[in-house]
Amino acid sequence: GQNIDQPTEMTATEGAIVQINCTYQTSGFNGLFWYQQHAGEAPTFLSYNVLDGLEEKGRFSSFLSRSKGYSYLLLKELQMKDSASYLCAVSSPTTTSSALEPERGNQAGTALIFGKGTTLSVSS
Amino acid sequence: ETGVTQSPTHLIKTRGQQVTLRCSSQSGHNTVSWYQQALGQGPQFIFQYYREEENGRGNFPPRFSGLQFPNYSSELNVNALELDDSALYLCASSLWLGSALGSPLHFGNGTRLTVT
Repeated sequence: GQNIDQPTEMTATEGAIVQINCTYQTSGFNGLFWYQQHAGEAPTFLSYNVLDGLEEKGRFSSFLSRSKGYSYLLLKELQMKDSASYLCAVSSPTTTSSALEPERGNQAGTALIFGKGTTLSVSS
Repeated sequence: ETGVTQSPTHLIKTRGQQVTLRCSSQSGHNTVSWYQQALGQGPQFIFQYYREEENGRGNFPPRFSGLQFPNYSSELNVNALELDDSALYLCASSLWLGSALGSPLHFGNGTRLTVT
């Protein structure tokens, strides 16, 4: 089965550091994404990890441990505009049915399996 | 660089009706995926298109169908609408290299569908 768990809600104050954890159990793994989604808007890409370790990008960092099925997103120097939902997503391979179209073979694509998201509220 | 655009932004339909949602991919992208996001939930994968063919499908019934056109734009069609189909429908485009993603998924702002 596919299961991605992250906390439902978190609160923090401006200037602080917050860590949002994500654990996953999926049938395939092509990498792990973090997206930010403000209310009523599209998810926007934050980070991508495919190998173990830390990826740093400005105020945001993301960590991955494939053996533990674990990732976290670290947000530093929090600002009010960071109040949003943070979505953890595992990239998992898909396949087409090749039974009727053997000449196409298994043209595998990729799907993002999302957690329910963590709503972060930043207060002054 | 033009981002992913979706139309319409909002739609109200009656149970049993059919709906078509549209998406224009980001320039340079060759793959389009559709996701359904219920309130307070993460997006759920519906299907993905590459080279105008469906190359992956989530756990959605056949009344959810799609198309990808030569210009990489796409449609999502839903027949026999049910109340539970009320959700935000997100289109995402990316660059697929045949065996791996060449870019993260870029999402449009979505179409808010309400079924009454």
